[in-house]
Amino acid sequence: DSGVTQTPKHLITATGQRVTLRCSPRSGDLSVYWYQQSLDQGLQFLIQYYNGEERAKGNILERFSAQQFPDLHSELNLSSLELGDSALYFCASSVSGGAVDTQYFGPGTRLTVL
Amino acid sequence: GQQLNQSPQSMFIQEGEDVSMNCTSSSIFNTWLWYKQEPGEGPVLLIALYKAGELTSNGRLTAQFGITRKDSFLNISASIPSDVGIYFCAGLGGDDKIIFGKGTRLHILP
Repeated sequence: DSGVTQTPKHLITATGQRVTLRCSPRSGDLSVYWYQQSLDQGLQFLIQYYNGEERAKGNILERFSAQQFPDLHSELNLSSLELGDSALYFCASSVSGGAVDTQYFGPGTRLTVL
Repeated sequence: GQQLNQSPQSMFIQEGEDVSMNCTSSSIFNTWLWYKQEPGEGPVLLIALYKAGELTSNGRLTAQFGITRKDSFLNISASIPSDVGIYFCAGLGGDDKIIFGKGTRLHILP
């Protein structure tokens, strides 16, 4: 158990819908990262937050957005969902968000778009 | 953009055999990381490498940061059933963004 929690574990929805994935970092970790894992693209970095502020952006679509709240939990919002958005979405956390900080991954949310 | 080529894509080996997998890139990385992912779980960091030429062990696992800074390998000695999973390499470049390989899926035959 990494100490990172993600809800829900599974999510099934239809194209065009909007969903919110939630992540609680390990106690004491200030930085949260979001990743998308699909079969053909592997693990892709989406976005990183540190203490409530966006720190780095990866391959995140404009239809996706995220935020980190004062209690440090984070939410990833996915809108206008397409079939290709079906994937595992992982959240990770680290102590200070530094480049060489160890990232601890949550168990993931499996999103299926029908 | 930067890409990591991880090979092999999958491996079927006998229990007790040694395993070797590697990652290569046309880009230079400052840090190499090796993760393992088991079914239903997120990746777990196995080994981190911070310097070209560095060789680091974690139990039966050994990883090296290539001297060109464009490659890394991971060896597992005397494999056991719990080694089954997907092994990912990841690199951190000058922009501090992490790039993952597509993984090596390890299967162990009894």
